[in-house]
Amino acid sequence: GAVVSQHPSRVICKSGTSVKIECRSLDFQATTMFWYRQFPKKSLMLMATSNEGSKATYEQGVEKDKFLINHASLTLSTLTVTSAHPEDSSFYICSARPGTGWSVAPLHFGNGTRLTVT
Amino acid sequence: AQSVTQLDSQVPVFEEAPVELRCNYSSSVSVYLFWYVQYPNQGLQLLLKYLSGSTLVESINGFEAEFNKSQTSFHLRKPSVHISDTAEYFCAVSASGGYQKVTFGTGTKLQVIP
Repeated sequence: GAVVSQHPSRVICKSGTSVKIECRSLDFQATTMFWYRQFPKKSLMLMATSNEGSKATYEQGVEKDKFLINHASLTLSTLTVTSAHPEDSSFYICSARPGTGWSVAPLHFGNGTRLTVT
Repeated sequence: AQSVTQLDSQVPVFEEAPVELRCNYSSSVSVYLFWYVQYPNQGLQLLLKYLSGSTLVESINGFEAEFNKSQTSFHLRKPSVHISDTAEYFCAVSASGGYQKVTFGTGTKLQVIP
């Protein structure tokens, strides 16, 4: 149980284009989803917290106009990298916490998306 | 705010030998602690967690971790590793209570040598 599906797993795009990454909780509802970015040999950096039906909460230093997050339902959140540049190339991982209220359930992660901007 | 330190970036160990992956945390409030495992080009999978109660927690594949409040540690151990345990292991912490952010350590790559 508690499966999170992330799509696509890999994407290559040209500089200046936009890329959308989907994160779906397949067998549970998640009011809150999280988007992380993982750099080589470094930890996961929390980019933003995605809240169903409201605006995402971005971490300090993350450009909200560049990384657009939409959480339209209890099972789907999307991250759109707008006007991508080579420095945006990275491994992006989403996660979701089961529950629609107060929850201590641990995070469940998608398999990540490897973005390469040429 | 919470922070996590994983001092060892890589730990090589021979197959069937024991291993300990170290994790120390810092927090001014009560915490929940987690270990996640990441296989190449995949997301993270929860290995085990400490929320409350017994300070020794175990996973289904033989790993265990002990919460030590006085030493602010949550080291991960396995008495006998397998080749299939080769992966990156991340320690994580969040403040107790719902909807708290999870902070990850920098990870430890466990390399099991046949």
